[in-house]
Amino acid sequence: DAKTTQPPSMDCAEGRAANLPCNHSTISGNEYVYWYRQIHSQGPQYIIHGLKNNETNEMASLIITEDRKSSTLILPHATLRDTAVYYCIVRAPHGGQGGKLIFGQGTELSVKP
Amino acid sequence: DSGVTQTPKHLITATGQRVTLRCSPRSGDLSVYWYQQSLDQGLQFLIQYYNGEERAKGNILERFSAQQFPDLHSELNLSSLELGDSALYFCASSVERASYNEQFFGPGTRLTVL
Repeated sequence: DAKTTQPPSMDCAEGRAANLPCNHSTISGNEYVYWYRQIHSQGPQYIIHGLKNNETNEMASLIITEDRKSSTLILPHATLRDTAVYYCIVRAPHGGQGGKLIFGQGTELSVKP
Repeated sequence: DSGVTQTPKHLITATGQRVTLRCSPRSGDLSVYWYQQSLDQGLQFLIQYYNGEERAKGNILERFSAQQFPDLHSELNLSSLELGDSALYFCASSVERASYNEQFFGPGTRLTVL
């Protein structure tokens, strides 16, 4: 699975969009980009994933560059409850039999009033 | 609420002891994963079970073992505990699709070894 690089920390003002970047320059053609977050000592929470196209769900949007070497997770209107560590993970399909998640250090997002 | 339950929430024990952590996956999920989160190591994958069979192993110590039962719940057994085993232990479950899978994590068990 490809390695990812994320900034260690970011700040965002409450109500503003939070844009969290992730670099995955060695990504392979069949590898998906996943985002999870972990709010202080709670279990990690799945946010969104994508392969090539931009994706949006009720939590966030995922923008993947055309060459797929980087992506950005967008929280459109950040709230204090979005303060968490955000993990970008790249992994290949495992044929329906699953596969581990490899967590890096992530980005610690602080949403400030 | 992810739908994954873990018991107990907290566990305090002494070095040399043995403990069992329990995980109930979301209804319908066949895979169960165990992860360990310590301050110095971050979140690390330990082991995966899929429909009762061990599927993948990560950095799991020989003192640790796991199993998944016919009702799909899983237990992680930790024996000969050491101070360094103090950590948060998370269980996750997933319905495995051919191309991707989202893992849903439980609230964790905080283990303190004194």
